Amino acid sequence: GAVVSQHPSRVICKSGTSVKIECRSLDFQATTMFWYRQFPKQSLMLMATSNEGSKATYEQGVEKDKFLINHASLTLSTLTVTSAHPEDSSFYICSADREGTYEQYFGPGTRLTVT
Amino acid sequence: KQEVTQIPAALSVPEGENLVLNCSFTDSAIYNLQWFRQDPGKGLTSLLLIQSSQREQTSGRLNASLDKSSGRSTLYIAASQPGDSATYLCAVPDYKLSFGAGTTVTVRA
Repeated sequence: GAVVSQHPSRVICKSGTSVKIECRSLDFQATTMFWYRQFPKQSLMLMATSNEGSKATYEQGVEKDKFLINHASLTLSTLTVTSAHPEDSSFYICSADREGTYEQYFGPGTRLTVT
Repeated sequence: KQEVTQIPAALSVPEGENLVLNCSFTDSAIYNLQWFRQDPGKGLTSLLLIQSSQREQTSGRLNASLDKSSGRSTLYIAASQPGDSATYLCAVPDYKLSFGAGTTVTVRA
């Protein structure tokens, strides 16, 4: 149990376009979902925390207008990278907090390449 | 602010040797501590979660200990195998999950 999926696993887009990444908790409800970014050979950097039905909380230095997060249900959160640029190329990972616990389950990640 | 440190940053051992990975944290008021494994280009796989009331947790060849008072956790991997090669991360929840930088393990056949 406690599976988190991400879609797509890989995406290549052109500079200036927008890309949406989905994060789903498949067999549990997640009141809170987290979005991370990871650069090569570095640890995860938290971008934002999203709670179902409310606005996301962004970490310092993360542009909320560029990285739009929507958490419309207890099983789905989306991250939209708007007007993507090559420097947005990275590995994006989501995680979900199982309701009532402090244990996080991670998705398999999405590799974004902006050309 | 919780700070998590992992030592060593990298470790290379011959197959069959036991692995010892260290994690320290600055704020001992934690709910739990998680150990994760990450393979290159992949997401994180949860290995063990130790609740704050526990002193250790075991799963197969993996054993994790927790000493809250000293702010330390240790992950032991017995009889290492090449398939254990990966980066191992520890993390503690605050308002967010605070990660260590990880220990990259290479097990040589």
